This record gives sequence, structure tokens and C-alpha cells, in this order.
Amino acid sequence: KQEVTQIPAALSVPEGENLVLNCSFTDSAIYNLQWFRQDPGKGLTSLLLIQSSQREQTSGRLNASLDKSSGRSTLYIAASQPGDSATYLCATSGSRLTFGEGTQLTVNP
Amino acid sequence: NAGVTQTPKFQVLKTGQSMTLQCAQDMNHEYMSWYRQDPGMGLRLIHYSVGAGITDQGEVPNGYNVSRSTTEDFPLRLLSAAPSQTSVYFCASSFLGGSSHEQYFGPGTRLTVT
Repeated sequence: KQEVTQIPAALSVPEGENLVLNCSFTDSAIYNLQWFRQDPGKGLTSLLLIQSSQREQTSGRLNASLDKSSGRSTLYIAASQPGDSATYLCATSGSRLTFGEGTQLTVNP
Repeated sequence: NAGVTQTPKFQVLKTGQSMTLQCAQDMNHEYMSWYRQDPGMGLRLIHYSVGAGITDQGEVPNGYNVSRSTTEDFPLRLLSAAPSQTSVYFCASSFLGGSSHEQYFGPGTRLTVT
């Protein structure tokens, strides 16, 4: 059974800092890995999807990497802003989507 | 393009009542699924469907029924609500073909069972 872990559970940084969120998974037989953002009381917004054959994806200030052999993915956020404050979830897709519990990010002005 | 829509946004039920959570998508996605999100437990798959007329159980299916009569709609039925079903429910959809399978989520239904 796939298990997805996200570390740290919470992170507080000053505005402007570059930061890395970590996601690890136990079963490397994944189809893709997806990063989501969730604002309080809201649904999930897809940020980046990395297919199993890819190593990274970039969108604006976000860069996600995938290392299937080590069972790890990272989400890099450059020049963080207060508007980036949210919970970030990663999920692996195999026969079904398996989520980590998320990292709650606070970016302080 | 409305994406994935869910109704209602909020609902309060008494123990033993039944109700249906609605989910619809206008992207012609084959795959649709229901998740519940609980503090400390993350998102867990309840039921999913790979096309009209085809449904299957996820990780936590007990107490819930689904059907898929059209590509667009995937309602979730609570047969006899229990306080343990208090949660936030999300519907999601994606294409099955191609290489992406990117999942799109609805805004959620917050359910309280008293």
C-alpha cells in the first residue's frame, strides 16, 4: 500500500525567502505525482504535475522535481510572498491517488 | 467551462438521515472520484468511477453509495448519516487517456452530522 509523507508539517518563513517542501512515497511504481495548494476552507488547486518519465516541472516561481528511485519529490518556491500562505499537498497516482497530509506554509510580511 | 462543481456547500444532518451530495463536471472526463478530508487523516478515497455505469470502492466506502448514469454526474449518497461521517467531501475528475491524468477538484461540501 502506497504511503505518502510530507515534511515538515508546518513551516513559517519571512517574505522573500526561497523554500523547499518535501514529499516522500514508499512505492516507486507511480504514474505521476501532483502538487496541490489548498487555502483554508477551500478546495484543491493543482499546481504542478510530474509524469513518471519526467524529472521536473516548472510554473512561474514554482519548481517541482521527482526522483522515483529514491521515492522523493520536492516543491521549490522562489521568492516567497504572503499570498503563498496555504497548505501544500502532494499526491501520487498509481491505481489511485494517494495524498500526503500536507505542509502548512505561512509567509510573514 | 465551470470545471468540477459540487452542491451543497454546507449541510447539517441529524443521525440517521439520508442525503445526496452532487458532483458534476463539464470537461468530458472519464474518471471521477469522491474523497473525504479529515484532520490528521488527510484525503481518503471513498468511491471512484472510470466511466458511465462503472463504479468501484476506494479506501473508505462503508456508509456511502455511488452511481454513474452519465459522464457528467457522479452523486454520492449517504444512506443513514452517522457522526463519523462529519467531514469535508471533495469530488475530483480527470481524463484516463493520454499521459497526464491530472486531477481537478471541486470546491467541497462541508457536512456536519449531529
